[in-house]
Amino acid sequence: QLQLQESGPGLVKPSETLSLTCTVSGGSFSSYYWTWVRQPPGVGLEWIGHVFYSGSTNYNPALKGRVTISVDTSKNQFSLRLRAVTAADTALYYCARARGSGGNYFDFWGQGILVSVSS
Amino acid sequence: EIVMTQSPATLSVSPGESATLSCRASQSVSNNLAWYQQKPGQAPRLLIHGASTRATGVPARFSGSGSGTEFTLTISSLQSEDFAIYYCQQYYNWPPWTFGQGTKVEIK
Repeated sequence: QLQLQESGPGLVKPSETLSLTCTVSGGSFSSYYWTWVRQPPGVGLEWIGHVFYSGSTNYNPALKGRVTISVDTSKNQFSLRLRAVTAADTALYYCARARGSGGNYFDFWGQGILVSVSS
Repeated sequence: EIVMTQSPATLSVSPGESATLSCRASQSVSNNLAWYQQKPGQAPRLLIHGASTRATGVPARFSGSGSGTEFTLTISSLQSEDFAIYYCQQYYNWPPWTFGQGTKVEIK
């Protein structure tokens, strides 16, 4: 059974960079899109972006160029970097596998990691 | 960006009854729509993709329908484990993929 596990700091200071890693195990890493989705407390879901196993990426324009998603196929990992964070970036961050020709919908999810932005 | 609007915000249903959840897109998404279930403290779970195709392991009491801008998720004979929040998501026009704000199905 495919498993995804997020890791990284749970607290980030305003204006700094949020960095998270998702480790994939129990299944194939190749030929899939790998996605980050976030959920502010008590709110709905927001797609952040995705990376194809080959390294190509797409991002949510709402994040205004602050986001970078990268992949390390040797470790079956992909990572999220979100620069210049503010309190509005406080959220539960999920990594997920995306299915479909364009990384369309998400069939396996990590448990999520809560990241708070505070000084 | 395509805006997804779900209704109602909260649906109160008795166990054993059926629930009908609606999702409307601000423009046509064809059948490029997924539904997810999220329980407290858990990650979302994929239920439906392609508007009507159940994901692996999803019980037959969950069914999706619709195309274009109007979609429905029907849960027949609600079980205790079905009380949760349900989200729709379009994947027709991107970036970004967008989600609805969710419908909470609660016990009546």
